[in-house]
Amino acid sequence: GAVVSQHPSWVICKSGTSVKIECRSLDFQATTMFWYRQFPKQSLMLMATSNEGSKATYEQGVEKDKFLINHASLTLSTLTVTSAHPEDSSFYICSAATGGSTGELFFGEGSRLTVL
Amino acid sequence: EDQVTQSPEALRLQEGESSSLNCSYTVSGLRGLFWYRQDPGKGPEFLFTLYSAGEEKEKERLKATLTKKESFLHITAPKPEDSATYLCAVQEGYGQNFVFGPGTRLSVLP
Repeated sequence: GAVVSQHPSWVICKSGTSVKIECRSLDFQATTMFWYRQFPKQSLMLMATSNEGSKATYEQGVEKDKFLINHASLTLSTLTVTSAHPEDSSFYICSAATGGSTGELFFGEGSRLTVL
Repeated sequence: EDQVTQSPEALRLQEGESSSLNCSYTVSGLRGLFWYRQDPGKGPEFLFTLYSAGEEKEKERLKATLTKKESFLHITAPKPEDSATYLCAVQEGYGQNFVFGPGTRLSVLP
């Protein structure tokens, strides 16, 4: 299957700092990428849909200014958690769709963010 | 409203004890139904895509089937390494919208 790489896999930062997470589709071009947040023992919560060359579409309740998403190329989307606070600590996962009429969705390995 | 539900929420099996996981959906215009496996602390791993009722796909001890209202993930003679959370998702219409179910946590005891 297609490969989606996410980096870093874990990060620890101090409260008030910003953290950037990268999501790359390694062997296909992805016009659309998705960012999820996952709490322990819960399912994926869609945060936003990232479209190459345009503004991301955020789900209701997700702060656009807190979670900045940039999809500058067909293989890279980034999520920046700005002015992070301990309540932002979570597992963040990206996915990319292969597109077309039978497009499939592949996930990155996830990034564990801990804000001290 | 499009919905995806999964049952049971959690399932404990003895090694070798076959069973099935259910994914029920209500969407307008199913484009594809996806099964994923997720291990703790990892991103979901793609297993299968099913596109039309009656379709079946197999991979090792797993077999996925699809009807117009639900999908089953059959696990034959499971092993402890099959322990994971299994997620299903549906893609509707012609957009890129994927709706995920809450998952089934499977534990296979040796």
